[in-house]
Amino acid sequence: GAVVSQHPSWVICKSGTSVKIECRSLDFQATTMFWYRQFPKQSLMLMATSNEGSKATYEQGVEKDKFLINHASLTLSTLTVTSAHPEDSSFYICSASRMASGWGTDTQYFGPGTRLTVL
Amino acid sequence: GQNIDQPTEMTATEGAIVQINCTYQTSGFNGLFWYQQHAGEAPTFLSYNVLDGLEEKGRFSSFLSRSKGYSYLLLKELQMKDSASYLCAVMDSNYQLIWGAGTKLIIKP
Repeated sequence: GAVVSQHPSWVICKSGTSVKIECRSLDFQATTMFWYRQFPKQSLMLMATSNEGSKATYEQGVEKDKFLINHASLTLSTLTVTSAHPEDSSFYICSASRMASGWGTDTQYFGPGTRLTVL
Repeated sequence: GQNIDQPTEMTATEGAIVQINCTYQTSGFNGLFWYQQHAGEAPTFLSYNVLDGLEEKGRFSSFLSRSKGYSYLLLKELQMKDSASYLCAVMDSNYQLIWGAGTKLIIKP
């Protein structure tokens, strides 16, 4: 159990366009979902934490108007990169956990990631 | 500040044993995770320790000493497919995961 999917797995877009990435927990209800960005040869960088039904909490330095997160259900969260630019090119990874942050620890299960290339 | 330290890179021989260390300084502690990440892929969960001691899971074992702020991941009977980055992450008092930079493990025949 604990399978997380992401779609698309890779996307190439033109500068100025918006890209939506979906993250789904396939066999469990994910109260909390996390969005990470990873540049080549670097560790994961947490962008935001989202709990179902509430606004996402963004990490310092992450523009919430540029990276729109919607956690509409217990199995789906979306990240929209608005007006993408070449510097937004990165590997975006979502993860999901069963328990709400603050209610106890739970393992994060990662999606396969989405490689975004902005031309 | 919060800090996770692990070696940048390690090399080991196929069939041997390797130990990857992780030391941490965080505001509070709610468990330590080890993840494996192959190049170009997302991390996969390996282990979780919240109490002191050794947790064994097949070829992989993870150890924790909370008083020393120290953990290690032990990989036995190394296989070529074990070549990957190994990420140490600590959950702090706010239940936020603090990530180490990862240790790139290179397995040689």
